[in-house]
Amino acid sequence: EDQVTQSPEALRLQEGESSSLNCSYTVSGLRGLFWYRQDPGKGPEFLFTLYSAGEEKEKERLKATLTKKESFLHITAPKPEDSATYLCAVLLGFGNEKLTFGTGTRLTIIP
Amino acid sequence: EADIYQTPRYLVIGTGKKITLECSQTMGHDKMYWYQQDPGMELHLIHYSYGVNSTEKGDLSSESTVSRIRTEHFPLTLESARPSHTSQYLCASSKPHYNEQFFGPGTRLTVL
Repeated sequence: EDQVTQSPEALRLQEGESSSLNCSYTVSGLRGLFWYRQDPGKGPEFLFTLYSAGEEKEKERLKATLTKKESFLHITAPKPEDSATYLCAVLLGFGNEKLTFGTGTRLTIIP
Repeated sequence: EADIYQTPRYLVIGTGKKITLECSQTMGHDKMYWYQQDPGMELHLIHYSYGVNSTEKGDLSSESTVSRIRTEHFPLTLESARPSHTSQYLCASSKPHYNEQFFGPGTRLTVL
């Protein structure tokens, strides 16, 4: 069964304390892996798409990486405004346009 | 910049009422989606559409229905709301040949 697992469920960091969030997947025929940020009461905001192992994408303090079994979202020197839930999702084999989401990591940055 | 709108943002109604949640996008995207999300839980796809007159059921069984008469509009209807329908409903769209989905702000539905 295709699965997407995110860890940890919740993470509290001091401002400036770098860390990484994990998204592991057990799917066949991965076509893409997506990272989103979701603030409370709002819809997810698109961050990155990764298509192949070894690929990396960066945006401000965030960097996403992809291996054959997992993806990491690295957060460097975070600020309080980076507090949010970070979701990953996978897109499966050809002909399937549906994203499968993980439950997310709730990140809190303490000033 | 993604421009996708949902109305209402919040809705509290009684059991048995018929409701329609509106979703519109101004980007000309062909593909549109409806997700249901409970607090702390993952998003579940309940309906999607590849274009006008195309609608498909998603992975999560839902008593709702959708229609796609215009490219920009993808409303979701509940004929008779029940407390089990209480949830957040998120609409999304994506453009042809790309897989990134852009989400609206969501509708928080409470059925009493």
